Amino acid sequence: GESVGLHLPTLSVQEGDNSIINCAYSNSASDYFIWYKQESGKGPQFIIDIRSNMDKRQGQRVTVLLNKTVKHLSLQIAATQPGDSAVYFCAEISNQAGTALIFGKGTTLSVSS
Amino acid sequence: DAGVTQSPTHLIKTRGQQVTLRCSPISGHKSVSWYQQVLGQGPQFIFQYYEKEERGRGNFPDRFSARQFPNYSSELNVNALLLGDSALYLCASSFGGTGTEAFFGQGTRLTVV
Repeated sequence: GESVGLHLPTLSVQEGDNSIINCAYSNSASDYFIWYKQESGKGPQFIIDIRSNMDKRQGQRVTVLLNKTVKHLSLQIAATQPGDSAVYFCAEISNQAGTALIFGKGTTLSVSS
Repeated sequence: DAGVTQSPTHLIKTRGQQVTLRCSPISGHKSVSWYQQVLGQGPQFIFQYYEKEERGRGNFPDRFSARQFPNYSSELNVNALLLGDSALYLCASSFGGTGTEAFFGQGTRLTVV
């Protein structure tokens, strides 16, 4: 599967591969993080979240990893499917702005059959 | 249960006009946040309301205002529209006011001509 250490704006994978999407967050004081999936013309869809007292959390086919030392977040998607094609955003809670979500740069995931 | 609902879905306005966007949160959710998403970028925080009080405000001009009603629905108002206000306006609801899952509506696509 694809694995990247730095944020890339686009990621192309084959159906069935594992995908890894990376995100660098900005505020070392942020303590809550969410991954969203956004399909064209739709609002962001909640995928999975993680709090800063954890370094890993698993959902259905997805895993989020948090590395607070380097302020890095990753989303792993197992057995990627064409329906996973979308833009993926990580978001952090910034308590300095009244619990506003601060979104990172999105990654466009393209899955080919 | 219905998710977050926004109205209208699409809107075309002329420069200088005023617009009101509406959002109904998920039943039981007491917090509503508004975000602006311009094409190709992640959502940018505008306002958060919790229990009818403003909890946070992003870096937007005073032309932008919002309020939350006793039933927790919310309106976003934008006065003196500029071409640059053209964007997808997203509403997110969450149960609590701090660090809880936020779910987005489909958004209102505003075009200013």
